[in-house]
Amino acid sequence: EAQVTQNPRYLITVTGKKLTVTCSQNMNHEYMSWYRQDPGLGLRQIYYSMNVEVTDKGDVPEGYKVSRKEKRNFPLILESPSPNQTSLYFCASSLLGTANYGYTFGSGTRLTVV
Amino acid sequence: AQTVTQSQPEMSVQEAETVTLSCTYDTSESDYYLFWYKQPPSRQMILVIRQEAYKQQNATENRFSVNFQKAAKSFSLKISDSQLGDAAMYFCAYRTAPSGYALNFGKGTSLLVTP
Repeated sequence: EAQVTQNPRYLITVTGKKLTVTCSQNMNHEYMSWYRQDPGLGLRQIYYSMNVEVTDKGDVPEGYKVSRKEKRNFPLILESPSPNQTSLYFCASSLLGTANYGYTFGSGTRLTVV
Repeated sequence: AQTVTQSQPEMSVQEAETVTLSCTYDTSESDYYLFWYKQPPSRQMILVIRQEAYKQQNATENRFSVNFQKAAKSFSLKISDSQLGDAAMYFCAYRTAPSGYALNFGKGTSLLVTP
């Protein structure tokens, strides 16, 4: 089954404790992206990647890191989480070529930083 | 700045009735694509319908259709014969190549379906 797999689905952590949210897709998509969703703000892009070793900042990159060492994986790293990073996070992927392709989304990760 | 505006934070519709969710966007690009996504309580993001900006014909997917007015930069979603399973948050979004292929989302409209 074609899918984007995110783990974990839920995570509660303490301020300053480094964490990684994993994301993997099995569709051979070039494009991968991370979004955060907050009430009343919709979804905002954190980082994206157009191919292996090619990443770039989205609209809200502060406090986050990403890497793209393999085509299928695109982990999101919070080096020193803070309470304002409490949010619902989505990983997504798509083909490139045209902007016609919609994203395939993962199931989301609910992160709480206390 | 490129933006998407969904002016209705909440909407309500009775089962079997029709409802229209509004969306306006602002982009200077001529080639772009528009999408509506549904997010039910399971929080999964589900693609409902897409529209190519260069096509004048409005997209239709079963009970879902759009009214695309390019000059007005308007992209509304019509849901016919509403069902209880249509209750969800609906997000309007657009995507362009020059913007790095990012999907730019509105803030969403919460749709309640009453029996």
